Amino acid sequence: GDSVTQMEGPVTLSEEAFLTINCTYTATGYPSLFWYVQYPGEGLQLLLKATKADDKGSNKGFEATYRKETTSFHLEKGSVQVSDSAVYFCALAYSGAGSYQLTFGKGTKLSVIP
Amino acid sequence: SQTIHQWPATLVQPVGSPLSLECTVEGTSNPNLYWYRQAAGRGLQLLFYSVGIGQISSEVPQNLSASRPQDRQFILSSKKLLLSDSGFYLCAWSAGDRPNYGYTFGSGTRLTVV
Repeated sequence: GDSVTQMEGPVTLSEEAFLTINCTYTATGYPSLFWYVQYPGEGLQLLLKATKADDKGSNKGFEATYRKETTSFHLEKGSVQVSDSAVYFCALAYSGAGSYQLTFGKGTKLSVIP
Repeated sequence: SQTIHQWPATLVQPVGSPLSLECTVEGTSNPNLYWYRQAAGRGLQLLFYSVGIGQISSEVPQNLSASRPQDRQFILSSKKLLLSDSGFYLCAWSAGDRPNYGYTFGSGTRLTVV
């Protein structure tokens, strides 16, 4: 079945460091890919998405490119801030039984220290 | 615009007591609705999803149940809570005909069973 694999955390970075969180997927067909962010004590928020190969999603300085050849959707940011500390989830969307379901990775906790 | 409301935000319940968590969506019709659970230090587990009134699909066997009495209302229930039911419960909705849009999550309910 479809699955998403994220790098295990936690990841601790100093402010202004470069961030990469790896995400690879296994899926039949051509899913849409997403990154969600969860700040402490809150629900998940959509950070960015890409719906087809070679698409680049971007938001708040974060970027991810849909790489079909490597089945990857790595999240990057050039200079992280303390406010980026959160848990990041990679996900893919597929259809099944009339419902469009997201399959999530296990999440990667990011801590940014001043 | 569409909004999703989830309550209560925090709940402490004794073992063996009943549970009712409610989720409502505004600004859309016929949404797909979902209940997820996030146990401490773990990823997201899909519990139930619904593509229409009275239609519930269960992903994980447990002592929880879900109901959808109205188009934009989704309720998570239990007759007798277990300690293992503790966790962070998230409701979400998606547009059934637009998988590329992903999900919108509520702010979550922190349930502690004591």
